[in-house]
Amino acid sequence: DADVTQTPRNRITKTGKRIMLECSQTKGHDRMYWYRQDPGLGLRLIYYSFDVKDINKGEISDGYSVSRQAQAKFSLSLESAIPNQTALYFCATRRTGDSGELFFGEGSRLTVL
Amino acid sequence: GIQVEQSPPDLILQEGANSTLRCNFSDSVNNLQWFHQNPWGQLINLFYIPSGTKQNGRLSATTVATERYSLLYISSSQTTDSGVYFCAALFSGNTPLVFGKGTRLSVIA
Repeated sequence: DADVTQTPRNRITKTGKRIMLECSQTKGHDRMYWYRQDPGLGLRLIYYSFDVKDINKGEISDGYSVSRQAQAKFSLSLESAIPNQTALYFCATRRTGDSGELFFGEGSRLTVL
Repeated sequence: GIQVEQSPPDLILQEGANSTLRCNFSDSVNNLQWFHQNPWGQLINLFYIPSGTKQNGRLSATTVATERYSLLYISSSQTTDSGVYFCAALFSGNTPLVFGKGTRLSVIA
């Protein structure tokens, strides 16, 4: 089993629907991240969390919200999905400190029609 | 501001050729990683290399922290090496890693 698990892996939805992407990890890391990748482009940070009570906005947080339900779980919500949120979404984790290596989940491909 | 720049942006190689990908960063780093995104979209950790040199099979990486760059070497390239290579740098323990825009590699048989 993967150390960083994302669900769903693929989702097609309609404009205006609420969508939740979930991420769970078994690595025992306290830091978790959500990234977005558009076709042919790099990774952009949506939100990140250093622990259960510490959540921070990234460079493109508008239209998204997050919840850190436990150290191992970090979910991303689109309250009212729109077509330009069609993208590949990645969850990532890292342990605290300067030397923690970042690990990614397998990605969630979201299509908003 | 803090920046991570990768070059070249695109690279096309014949199978069997060697290549060098470069990552420049604008300040001293605590952490430097290389990732490979395969054609199916998965992001795979290649190297965690804040300084020094590491090798893993046909791939090796070198980071010269004092000169603020890292290099990823791919020798005897194979079609399975195709994809996008990202470097990412951690400039401070309390900030997220900063990613470069990637180098898109296409290896042709």
